[in-house]
Parts: sequence; C-alpha cells; structure tokens
Amino acid sequence: GENVEQHPSTLSVQEGDSAVIKCTYSDSASNYFPWYKQELGKRPQLIIDIRSNVGEKKDQRIAVTLNKTAKHFSLHITETQPEDSAVYFCAASIGNGGATNKLIFGTGTLLAVQP
Amino acid sequence: DTGVSQDPRHKITKRGQNVTFRCDPISEHNRLYWYRQTLGQGPEFLTYFQNEAQLEKSRLLSDRFSAERPKGSFSTLEIQRTEQGDSAMYLCASSPGTANTEAFFGQGTRLTVV
Repeated sequence: GENVEQHPSTLSVQEGDSAVIKCTYSDSASNYFPWYKQELGKRPQLIIDIRSNVGEKKDQRIAVTLNKTAKHFSLHITETQPEDSAVYFCAASIGNGGATNKLIFGTGTLLAVQP
Repeated sequence: DTGVSQDPRHKITKRGQNVTFRCDPISEHNRLYWYRQTLGQGPEFLTYFQNEAQLEKSRLLSDRFSAERPKGSFSTLEIQRTEQGDSAMYLCASSPGTANTEAFFGQGTRLTVV
C-alpha cells in the first residue's frame, strides 16, 4: 500500500548549519509532496510543497528537491535558527480531479537547532 | 481566527464511553479530512468528505467510529465504546476543491481514555 519513509528520526545541528531531511514514497502515482512543521502542542503547518512537474523549489532558507525516478524527495534548511526547532513531516498524495488527495505522512524528524 | 477550528481541545473519558468531536473548516473549503496522530508518529488518514459526501474511509476506522458532515460545512467524529487504544490527537484538515492544494489543519482534539 501507500507508504512514506522519512529519515532521520532526530537531527541535531548547530545554529547556522544546514539540515537535510529525506523521504521516500512508494506509490508512483503520487504527484504532490508537502512538508509540514509541527511545534510542540501545535497544529501542523505547511512550510513548502512541490508538485511532480517540478524538480526543485526554494523559498528563502528552505528548499525541496524531488527525484521522481527514485521516488525520493528532500527538505533542505540553510542557516538554521533556534526557531527552526520542531518536528518536520513529509507527505505524499495523489492529486487529480477525482482523487481523495489524502496525505500519507512520514514518521517525522525532530530537528533541534543548538544555539 | 478564520482557520480550521476544533472542539473540544482536550477530552478525558472513561473506557466504554462515547465521545464526539467537532470540526469547523475554512468556510469556502469543500474538502474535509480527519486524521489521527499518536505520539512520535505522523498523522494517519481516517476519512474524507467532499461537501457532505463521505468518499473514503481508512481501514483504521473501525465500526466504532463514525463521521458526518451533514450540510457540507462542519463535521463531527464520534467514537463509541472508547478503548485505551483510541487515545490520540484527532486532527481535522480542510482544503479547496482543486487538486494539489494546501491542507490546513486545526489545532486538534487530544483524547485520553482512562
């Protein structure tokens, strides 16, 4: 069935360093890949997303890359700051007019940015 | 706050009791989702509504779970005869009708079954 694997489960970096989180999806029909940030006790919030017709997308310090052949996508955060500390979830969905567009989430990465 | 709202935020119930949660999506969104999140895991899909029609249910949704969206606006999720394994955060999300668009999540209802 549909599955998304996410690594690493925890990641500790020094402030100013880069952080990379990697995900792999199983369903080749997936065509939408959002990343959510969830702070303790708060709702998941979208930070960036990418669609399958694009290989890379960047928004300030955050970038996402997609390799459809390998079914891999990754989140890159540069110049990390303490406020980036949170749990990050990748997700995949099949989006078309008739689909549910339900999100299949990875298991999350706890990012700790040390000042 | 014009985002997705859920009520209650927290619910403690005794095993065997019934509970009902409410979700108010963003007003112009016709897609509504329920997810369940346990500690250390990502949200897991439970069910999906397009307007008032429930179009998909996960096999995670046992017969004790039922969801409704009677007028295509707010939704309710009811759990009957709660079990300790039902303890989790129940998240609601909504999105517009077009494909591949952001799903906006509510704050969730944290259920504890004692």
